[in-house]
Amino acid sequence: AQKITQTQPGMFVQEKEAVTLDCTYDTSDPSYGLFWYKQPSSGEMIFLIYQGSYDQQNATEGRYSLNFQKARKSANLVISASQLGDSAMYFCAMRDLTNFGNEKLTFGTGTRLTIIP
Amino acid sequence: DTGVSQDPRHKITKRGQNVTFRCDPISEHNRLYWYRQTLGQGPEFLTYFQNEAQLEKSRLLSDRFSAERPKGSFSTLEIQRTEQGDSAMYLCASSRGTGTHYGYTFGSGTRLTVV
Repeated sequence: AQKITQTQPGMFVQEKEAVTLDCTYDTSDPSYGLFWYKQPSSGEMIFLIYQGSYDQQNATEGRYSLNFQKARKSANLVISASQLGDSAMYFCAMRDLTNFGNEKLTFGTGTRLTIIP
Repeated sequence: DTGVSQDPRHKITKRGQNVTFRCDPISEHNRLYWYRQTLGQGPEFLTYFQNEAQLEKSRLLSDRFSAERPKGSFSTLEIQRTEQGDSAMYLCASSRGTGTHYGYTFGSGTRLTVV
């Protein structure tokens, strides 16, 4: 079964500094997709960035980049120049298949990021 | 693209009562998912619709739970005889297809508290 591990329950970072949120995954499928979502206190899951297992380059989206190390099965999220609005829960997720072959997302337990002014 | 809407945002109910939540997906998305998120955890898959057909239900979805998606548009999730363990955030997501990173748009969720 696929599994996502986020080992940092909480992080405190000074505003304008870069921050790395860790994510490791476990799968035996050669084809998979990895997502990062941000969940503010309002509850909505906001898509940040995606990395496909066959993508040759690490994904980037504005201030977000994904440090994808396939051999180590890690997909860490890097946020550059953090802002107060970045304070939220961050979830790593993997697209996998259910036993019936339907797609779903498997999430980690999340990291609560707090940006300090 | 008006996003995925969920109603209500919050629901407090007494144990044993029935509750129903609604999800309006993005109009051109034919796939709809329900997830449940308990405190301190990531969301967990509950059920999946392709158009109006419910193609899969997780083992997390007990017999007290039922979901529908009439006409392949909005969806409802009903919980009968609620229990305190049902307290959670219920998230709806929709998707236009599979295998792409644009696949999943989530709503803001319905937070259920059973007292």
